[in-house]
Amino acid sequence: DADVTQTPRNRITKTGKRIMLECSQTKGHDRMYWYRQDPGLGLQLIYYSFDVKDINKGEISDGYSVSRQAQAKFSLSLESAIPNQTALYFCATSGLAGNEQFFGPGTRLTVL
Amino acid sequence: DQQVKQNSPSLSVQEGRISILNCDYTNSMFDYFLWYKKYPAEGPTFLISISSIKDKNEDGRFTVFLNKSAKHLSLHIVPSQPGDSAVYFCAGGVYNQGGKLIFGQGTELSVKP
Repeated sequence: DADVTQTPRNRITKTGKRIMLECSQTKGHDRMYWYRQDPGLGLQLIYYSFDVKDINKGEISDGYSVSRQAQAKFSLSLESAIPNQTALYFCATSGLAGNEQFFGPGTRLTVL
Repeated sequence: DQQVKQNSPSLSVQEGRISILNCDYTNSMFDYFLWYKKYPAEGPTFLISISSIKDKNEDGRFTVFLNKSAKHLSLHIVPSQPGDSAVYFCAGGVYNQGGKLIFGQGTELSVKP
C-alpha cells in the first residue's frame, strides 16, 4: 500500500465550484505539505502543517484553504475554483528528523 | 523571486554517457539541497541530497556537486540509462524552517538507447 495517498486522482470542475482534495499518510509523519505544479514553474508550496494545530501559508496560498483533520490527514480546498487553478497538486510528508519529503501520486485538477 | 533555478528545461543524452543536470540558487541561507526524480503520473521521489557544508555526495551512479561560491549545484548520472528518463527537480531547504523546500522548475532528461 502507498504511504501517501491522494484522492481524487483526477477531477474536472467548473468555475465557481468548491472542491476539496484529500491526502492521507501512513508514515506517521507530523509534517505535511501541499504543492501545485505548473508547466515551467516547478513545484510551488501552497500550505504546510507541522502538526494538527500548526498550519502555515506557503508561497501561493491565495484562493486556497486547508484543514488538518488528524495527524494522518491534510485536505486542500478551493472555495471558488477558477481556471488558473488548473494544475497538478501534490501532497507530501516529512518526519521531524529528516529533510526528505515523501510525495503522493498527485491530483490532476482541471477548472473549466 | 526565483530562489532556485534550473535553466535547462530539457536534456537529451545517449545511453551509457554522462548526464549533467544543473541548478543555481540565490538564497545563501540554504542548509541542504535535494534532487527529486519524477516520472509521468507519479509523485516526485527523493534521489540524493547534499548538506551545504559538503561539496560532493555520491550514491551509486548519482553524484551531486555543490559550489557554494558560485551558488551552483549539479547532478551527475554515470552511466545514463533509459530508465533515468524523467523530470529532475532540485530543491533547497533551511533547517529552522521545518522542512519547507523551495523547488526549481525541473529539467526533463531523455536518455536514448
